[in-house]
Amino acid sequence: AQSVTQLGSHVSVSEGALVLLRCNYSSSVPPYLFWYVQYPNQGLQLLLKYTTGATLVKGINGFEAEFKKSETSFHLTKPSAHMSDAAEYFCAVSVPILTGGGNKLTFGTGTQLKVEL
Amino acid sequence: SQTIHQWPATLVQPVGSPLSLECTVEGTSNPNLYWYRQAAGRGLQLLFYSVGIGQISSEVPQNLSASRPQDRQFILSSKKLLLSDSGFYLCAWSGRRNTEAFFGQGTRLTVV
Repeated sequence: AQSVTQLGSHVSVSEGALVLLRCNYSSSVPPYLFWYVQYPNQGLQLLLKYTTGATLVKGINGFEAEFKKSETSFHLTKPSAHMSDAAEYFCAVSVPILTGGGNKLTFGTGTQLKVEL
Repeated sequence: SQTIHQWPATLVQPVGSPLSLECTVEGTSNPNLYWYRQAAGRGLQLLFYSVGIGQISSEVPQNLSASRPQDRQFILSSKKLLLSDSGFYLCAWSGRRNTEAFFGQGTRLTVV
């Protein structure tokens, strides 16, 4: 069964510092991986996704993530944090729906990012 | 472009009362539809998904049910709410070929 583990439920960085949010996955098939961001009392917004091809994927708002099969990881990074990056971030792995097509996402427990002046 | 609407945004209901949350998608046809629940510190739990009208799959046993009366309408219901049903409920859709899901703005349900 597919699953994701996010290390660190809370991460705090200074404005302008590197952001690193960790995600490890478990999958019996080649995984599709995602990062979503959630602002308070809102839905989730897709930051970036990895399906196939280039292992370094770039997303919105300056975020990127690298798929490392040998480490079963998909960590999210941003070179320089901004106050507006403060939010909760979720890593997810896609599980195929065998009948009817499409996929369903299994999420990690989330990492709350705090950005300090 | 595709949009997803979910309402109401907030809801306070007494224990034992019924529930109906509605979600509609515009700008696409035959989407996969999902209901997730989010509890603090527990991430998002998939409750139900649907690959077509009248086709509902339940991921976890619970006090809730889902229905899909139309192609782009997904409803989450309960006959009698429990305190443990409180949470943030999110509706989402995805296409047959797309792998990512697109989320509504969520409903904050408080059962008192």
